[in-house]
Amino acid sequence: GQSLEQPSEVTAVEGAIVQINCTYQTSGFYGLSWYQQHDGGAPTFLSYNALDGLEETGRFSSFLSRSDSYGYLLLQELQMKDSASYFCAVRDGNGGFKTIFGAGTRLFVKA
Amino acid sequence: EAGVTQFPSHSVIEKGQTVTLRCDPISGHDNLYWYRRVMGKEIKFLLHFVKESKQDESGMPNNRFLAERTGGTYSTLKVQPAELEDSGVYFCASSPTASGYEQFFGPGTRLTVL
Repeated sequence: GQSLEQPSEVTAVEGAIVQINCTYQTSGFYGLSWYQQHDGGAPTFLSYNALDGLEETGRFSSFLSRSDSYGYLLLQELQMKDSASYFCAVRDGNGGFKTIFGAGTRLFVKA
Repeated sequence: EAGVTQFPSHSVIEKGQTVTLRCDPISGHDNLYWYRRVMGKEIKFLLHFVKESKQDESGMPNNRFLAERTGGTYSTLKVQPAELEDSGVYFCASSPTASGYEQFFGPGTRLTVL
């Protein structure tokens, strides 16, 4: 079956850089997405990697290595407002349409 | 452009009752997804519509759950009869593409079954 593993919690200080890792097991692969969710809010799309390498969008970057079934989200110049849960997600590899999410990484940013 | 909306935002019902959740996707988005998140756990896929057709309902937990999308616009998710384990936040998302790599989520409906 499909599964994703990511750390449950990460703590970092304001202004620092933090990396949230995600490893996945899928029977096919259509790319890795990242979402951010603040408490009580809706998950919002951050980035998507279909090919190996780094994708940069402002302070956030996402990396993918398909050979290692591994990706990460990199957050730079951390701000208090970055405190949230971050989810990695892959689409089902069996030709289906379901999206499988990891359990989420809770990021705490301290002053 | 309006985002994905869901109604109600909260629902508290007793075990055995029926609840219907509604989702209005972004206009023009053919793909609509339902998810559930139980506290602290993963966002779990329930099903996927393309227009009015169910493309994948493999995540629906059992036959107490019924989703519809008549006319290919808004969708409803009915739970009948509700059980304690159905409690959680139900999210709806929509996407303009079938790949669904970028989905736009609604604010969710928090369902509490007592």
